[in-house]
Amino acid sequence: QQPVQSPQAVILREGEDAVINCSSSKALYSVHWYRQKHGEAPVFLMILLKGGEQKGHEKISASFNEKKQQSSLYLTASQLSYSGTYFCGTRDQTGANNLFFGTGTRLTVIP
Amino acid sequence: AAGVIQSPRHLIKEKRETATLKCYPIPRHDTVYWYQQGPGQDPQFLISFYEKMQSDKGSIPDRFSAQQFSDYHSELNMSSLELGDSALYFCASSHLGGQGPSYNSPLHFGNGTRLTVT
Repeated sequence: QQPVQSPQAVILREGEDAVINCSSSKALYSVHWYRQKHGEAPVFLMILLKGGEQKGHEKISASFNEKKQQSSLYLTASQLSYSGTYFCGTRDQTGANNLFFGTGTRLTVIP
Repeated sequence: AAGVIQSPRHLIKEKRETATLKCYPIPRHDTVYWYQQGPGQDPQFLISFYEKMQSDKGSIPDRFSAQQFSDYHSELNMSSLELGDSALYFCASSHLGGQGPSYNSPLHFGNGTRLTVT
């Protein structure tokens, strides 16, 4: 049930862009994105509910392709503060009250 | 704004002992989730509660049990602790509001309890 993320890790220089992908084998109803700094709790970024939906949060945006059961997180003009591990979380269409986190993508932004 | 409160922050136990972790959700949040995160791992969903009833179960070992009380706080009870149980345990809460599965409700996480089993 766990979604798979790619890449596993990425290193960026400030100002560069990155894309993080999340793929599930199950039919999804929604996708969440969270960022976690080392030793801290995951922090909510955004939720995508509908197929093809796109959302934005500062310079971070995401898309959700319901038919392909995939979501992508786009980070543009990265800042040092973007460093952390990004997790997608997926809810499937069974109606269960759960949220399964993906395998994680460690993003490091360097000056 | 009030956040999710977990206690204790740190806990050291020996093998075969028991441990109880507590979680106080954000006021008016009706759903509580428990996650286990090993070093360098992603958070693993253990169990969730909605309105004090168990809602869904993930990879929670039989040695663990959890419940949600009338004041909505939740406790995770862990028995016969093993070295592999050493991890960061997060509690999260969300507001469902009686509208079915909380597809569009974000999870708000507590700061976690770091459990070390020696």
